[in-house]
Amino acid sequence: GQQLNQSPQSMFIQEGEDVSMNCTSSSIFNTWLWYKQDPGEGPVLLIALYKAGELTSNGRLTAQFGITRKDSFLNISASIPSDVGIYFCAGQWAGANSKLTFGKGITLSVRP
Amino acid sequence: DGGITQSPKYLFRKEGQNVTLSCEQNLNHDAMYWYRQDPGQGLRLIYYSQIVNDFQKGDIAEGYSVSREKKESFPLTVTSAQKNPTAFYLCASSIVDNPGGQPQHFGDGTRLSIL
Repeated sequence: GQQLNQSPQSMFIQEGEDVSMNCTSSSIFNTWLWYKQDPGEGPVLLIALYKAGELTSNGRLTAQFGITRKDSFLNISASIPSDVGIYFCAGQWAGANSKLTFGKGITLSVRP
Repeated sequence: DGGITQSPKYLFRKEGQNVTLSCEQNLNHDAMYWYRQDPGQGLRLIYYSQIVNDFQKGDIAEGYSVSREKKESFPLTVTSAQKNPTAFYLCASSIVDNPGGQPQHFGDGTRLSIL
């Protein structure tokens, strides 16, 4: 089946730094989603992207839908301790059975 | 507030026992989903339902069963046939929108452990 590639598995940054995460696919998607998961909780939607080339911001977060429709990136600027968590990308086809395909996630640690 | 409620938060199962995880949503979403999450493996789809009284198998349906008798509810039963049930289980829901995709919104999960 389709797979989304997120790497590395873990990232360690200093508070105040910017960080960028990529997500790539062997297939194209019509929608890209970015979620954040805190320990013991469900993923929370951060940003949804619906159009190739689209660049969308949500506070300190910025995400882009790649032109080829096979990739997306998420950028976090001026990181703070509460940015710690697992960041998942997910791709979705449009259509009646529009299941999500998830990456394995990147665990972000922020050193104060 | 609208949202997705999963219960219980923690669940323990004895060998050979079936257990049922609850998922209720008041978002008026048509579609509901169950995922299993294991460390380092991301989310894997167990079952999904796009309409009441209908559901489809996901990627890892063996050892699980579901029902969708009401729009608001999508319980998951982990049967004794599931030999490795210890995991974090997540329920999600979404609008069904064709042709645009719609993001899924998640509950806070149930952690199932074997005694």
